[in-house]
Amino acid sequence: SQQGEEDPQALSIQEGENATMNCSYKTSINNLQWYRQNSGRGLVHLILIRSNEREKHSGRLRVTLDTSKKSSSLLITASRAADTASYFCATVDNYGQNFVFGPGTRLSVLP
Amino acid sequence: GAVVSQHPSRVICKSGTSVKIECRSLDFQATTMFWYRQFPKKSLMLMATSNEGSKATYEQGVEKDKFLINHASLTLSTLTVTSAHPEDSSFYICSARDNTGQSGLVIYNEQFFGPGTRLTVL
Repeated sequence: SQQGEEDPQALSIQEGENATMNCSYKTSINNLQWYRQNSGRGLVHLILIRSNEREKHSGRLRVTLDTSKKSSSLLITASRAADTASYFCATVDNYGQNFVFGPGTRLSVLP
Repeated sequence: GAVVSQHPSRVICKSGTSVKIECRSLDFQATTMFWYRQFPKKSLMLMATSNEGSKATYEQGVEKDKFLINHASLTLSTLTVTSAHPEDSSFYICSARDNTGQSGLVIYNEQFFGPGTRLTVL
């Protein structure tokens, strides 16, 4: 799973399988966001979940948030080769001032 | 959605030269802009936060005299890497946020990211 100071994780799966990526954080948050980054490219905002929400869906994406455990997960269902990318979680604190990225997970979806 | 651009997208320079990277918000006023640095296969690390019309706030360990940030207008922030060295080679990403709510984009404190600039110092 991702944490702010750890090396990025790597995950390889076959096309069609589900991919689950985890993220943990240390402080109280206002919201948590997931981003995708293709190699050498900018960030694409995927989904945002607020601290008072437990689960959110967007297409093939499902995000959960457990504030008691200070953790979140991103599930990509029925993965495709085009989902190959790095995925980062980022937390925003209660003051909306600090935006902290996790180390990321490099997902490889094999055709 | 809001669009943030960066220019140039890629730059190669000789050691000792200075390089300026521009970050522009194209369809909203960015009262706050952020500069991040990303090493290969690593996460983004915040370098500094700049508010329009005031001095940037640098994160611990970031040399403000080396990484000059200017946020002179509500749509433009620049990062100048002065006297660049090979260890400054990295991917630099900016983001922008509208704190005023005028663009309707401030909900959830969302930041909008630029596409990044790849700096290679020879």
